[in-house]
Amino acid sequence: DTAVSQTPKYLVTQMGNDKSIKCEQNLGHDTMYWYKQDSKKFLKIMFSYNNKELIINETVPNRFSPKSPDKAHLNLHINSLELGDSAVYFCASSRLENIQYFGAGTRLSVL
Amino acid sequence: GQQLNQSPQSMFIQEGEDVSMNCTSSSIFNTWLWYKQDPGEGPVLLIALYKAGELTSNGRLTAQFGITRKDSFLNISASIPSDVGIYFCAGLPNYGGSQGNLIFGKGTKLSVKP
Repeated sequence: DTAVSQTPKYLVTQMGNDKSIKCEQNLGHDTMYWYKQDSKKFLKIMFSYNNKELIINETVPNRFSPKSPDKAHLNLHINSLELGDSAVYFCASSRLENIQYFGAGTRLSVL
Repeated sequence: GQQLNQSPQSMFIQEGEDVSMNCTSSSIFNTWLWYKQDPGEGPVLLIALYKAGELTSNGRLTAQFGITRKDSFLNISASIPSDVGIYFCAGLPNYGGSQGNLIFGKGTKLSVKP
């Protein structure tokens, strides 16, 4: 059983398109996150979200928006994709103690 | 913003050698975590540390939460080829705030020669 699952694993798309990445966790966690990992492997947090608040990293363009239909899901929507959006995107989840468990990643390539 | 200095950036070692890497910060952390990322996968938690001075082992891995609460190290003994990957430290700073304040180091890329 995969604890944090993301789909798709690979996403290749054209510049200007709108795309979504889905994330689901079956750990019963109350907080979910999205990270971006660039080509140098730096992990940068984009969003954290629980049922009370959304915390946005101020450097994230507003073309990126998280959407949470319920506590177990946090999907990432990206509008007007740009070349610089190419990266690996990781979803993670945690309970209050803040140990985060990661999905396997979505490799986004914008052409 | 808050940063963790993780070193070394990369290591090339012979199978069987011991490995040591560390993370330092200019401010105090409440929790230190060590993750490993295999190629094509997400980071996986190796060890979690919650108290200053705490020394915790997980098989051939040993990690310590520094007494000053500003650093942590990870040791791997008798390395094997499957130890290859990127190791990340992560810390929860002491200034409270909301979830999502986990801060990651830039990673140590480990290569092991058989």
